[in-house]
Amino acid sequence: EADIYQTPRYLVIGTGKKITLECSQTMGHDKMYWYQQDPGMELHLIHYSYGVNSTEKGDLSSESTVSRIRTEHFPLTLESARPSHTSQYLCASSEAAGGYQETQYFGPGTRLLVL
Amino acid sequence: GENVEQHPSTLSVQEGDSAVIKCTYSDSASNYFPWYKQELGKRPQLIIDIRSNVGEKKDQRIAVTLNKTAKHFSLHITETQPEDSAVYFCARTDGLTFGKGTHLIIQP
Repeated sequence: EADIYQTPRYLVIGTGKKITLECSQTMGHDKMYWYQQDPGMELHLIHYSYGVNSTEKGDLSSESTVSRIRTEHFPLTLESARPSHTSQYLCASSEAAGGYQETQYFGPGTRLLVL
Repeated sequence: GENVEQHPSTLSVQEGDSAVIKCTYSDSASNYFPWYKQELGKRPQLIIDIRSNVGEKKDQRIAVTLNKTAKHFSLHITETQPEDSAVYFCARTDGLTFGKGTHLIIQP
């Protein structure tokens, strides 16, 4: 079944550690996104991509990096985790349909706790 | 970039009553207007969307209306039920910005 997957689902880590959050989609979508969201609160865009070898910065991009080497894979790396990074991270994807925005499909999220 | 302003931030209605959530945008070129629902502990999911060539779209108890002149689009939920309790988000046409969300509470 076509879906979008995130691993790990939960992560507890110490300050200063480097972490990579994985996101994969089997929907064949070109566009992918990373958001940070505290429970029930606003979605903040971290990074996005229009396709392979394309990466763009969102509002919260300064402390993280992404790569898009394959269409289906869009990992997010925090170089040095801090307690302020404690949050939920949501990955999403959508088609890039001739300039028209399409529905975004979200993954289940990764809940990160930095001690 | 252009943002979307969403109101209200919290809405409490009696079960069976109607709920309306509104988003205002500023970019005249906007042509796609989606609404997402996020239940507690779950991922956001699209519930309804509309494109700029129509003024209203309905799907059972939910509807979206678009006023291009006033640059706003609204989510309407009729005959509200307990399962409608959630956070609802509108989004900018390019999908890069979401409204701040509306917590909809259905009172029994």
